[in-house]
Amino acid sequence: GAGVSQSPSNKVTEKGKDVELRCDPISGHTALYWYRQRLGQGLEFLIYFQGNSAPDKSGLPSDRFSAERTGESVSTLTIQRTQQEDSAVYLCASSIDLSYSYNEQFFGPGTRLTVL
Amino acid sequence: TQLLEQSPQFLSIQEGENLTVYCNSSSVFSSLQWYRQEPGEGPVLLVTVVTGGEVKKLKRLTFQFGDARKDSSLHITAAQPGDTGLYLCAGLLRYAGTASKLTFGTGTRLQVTL
Repeated sequence: GAGVSQSPSNKVTEKGKDVELRCDPISGHTALYWYRQRLGQGLEFLIYFQGNSAPDKSGLPSDRFSAERTGESVSTLTIQRTQQEDSAVYLCASSIDLSYSYNEQFFGPGTRLTVL
Repeated sequence: TQLLEQSPQFLSIQEGENLTVYCNSSSVFSSLQWYRQEPGEGPVLLVTVVTGGEVKKLKRLTFQFGDARKDSSLHITAAQPGDTGLYLCAGLLRYAGTASKLTFGTGTRLQVTL
């Protein structure tokens, strides 16, 4: 497809388990973002990948959270030892981050994570 | 520290009413975007404003960028139930021509009832 895709769409896990969330950005988009959105809340920035630069991890809430990106393609967000407070929708977005662009972000539909 | 504050946080109005949402910051942005998010979906871009004082219209929605490029407003005329959703502003900070990540505002949740 032409848009950003995320998988799984829903994930239910038990407290203490690890989870991996996947994002497939739009082809050619150099930048990729992960956000967390709790129920009824705005977007909480987690991490930003831009080309080959070191990722901006300033939004990761704890060392249980990590993310990887292979070149300018797929990214995975890993949450280790999940806690109930990690329950949220995790949104991925990609954009063409160029010096002359406005960096419009295209979002995926999100992964709804529920930690029991 | 939240760079972009939106107000109000929540707004519940009846069909046909007008409303304004504000997005404020102490930072100067090179451009500012507005997104709308509907339940179960990711946010979708509505508009980008670039020039201080710029006004853009999208049907019943009017967007304005402040003269100093620190704030923006979204005005909806004759709101309809289809306008229901979460409205997010997002500012782009750019230094010396380099790209920078977007910073999203706190969000305004709008509900329009019949």
